[in-house]
Amino acid sequence: EIVLTQSPATLSLSPGERATLSCRASQSVSSYLAWYQQKPGQAPRLLIYDASNRATGIPARFSGSGSGTDFTLTISSLEPEDFAVYYCQQRSNFYTFGQGTKLEIK
Amino acid sequence: EVQLVQSGAEVKKPGESLKISCKGSGYSFTSYWIGWVRQMPGKGLEWMGIIYPGDSDTRYSPSFQGQVTISADKSISTAYLQWSSLKASDTAMYYCARPPVPAAQDAFDIWGQGTMVTVSS
Repeated sequence: EIVLTQSPATLSLSPGERATLSCRASQSVSSYLAWYQQKPGQAPRLLIYDASNRATGIPARFSGSGSGTDFTLTISSLEPEDFAVYYCQQRSNFYTFGQGTKLEIK
Repeated sequence: EVQLVQSGAEVKKPGESLKISCKGSGYSFTSYWIGWVRQMPGKGLEWMGIIYPGDSDTRYSPSFQGQVTISADKSISTAYLQWSSLKASDTAMYYCARPPVPAAQDAFDIWGQGTMVTVSS
């Protein structure tokens, strides 16, 4: 089973700052990596698929990069509604999720 | 509008059986894989398995193989997740989800609202 490790576990930033979230896979997943945002009481929301493609309706401040085992989700300038938990997910070998990064207001 | 609508919250006792549902609408139900995801209280997302309603091809995460059964009834556009004997550790929110591309095991862009299952004596 492919293990995804996200870092940091918690990220404390202020609105307007840049956020960089990491996801590392235990073996190569090629570009088959997605990022989701989840707010309390809500289902996850797809942000990025295949490492760098924004899903429909996702603002341009969200971007993804990486391939193989190392991936990054960048939020260029944080809006108040961006504070949430973020998960990466691979689909190279079945599916697995990372453990999540909580993005909180500093 | 493409939607996945899940059945309502359940409260069960250990050892009881349960089947929860996920009804698809607004698209060709048989053409898209549907996955199930568990989220235990205060915890992260765990992928459980996936089914292709067109031919009932089903894949399970090793962690959930033998613990649950995933099925689908294409005549009523509904996927199911069932347990034969619930445990307290099955207490969680369960989501169904669908990829955006037909016949592809892709990321999930359409999600159900979730079904909360509580198992307690």
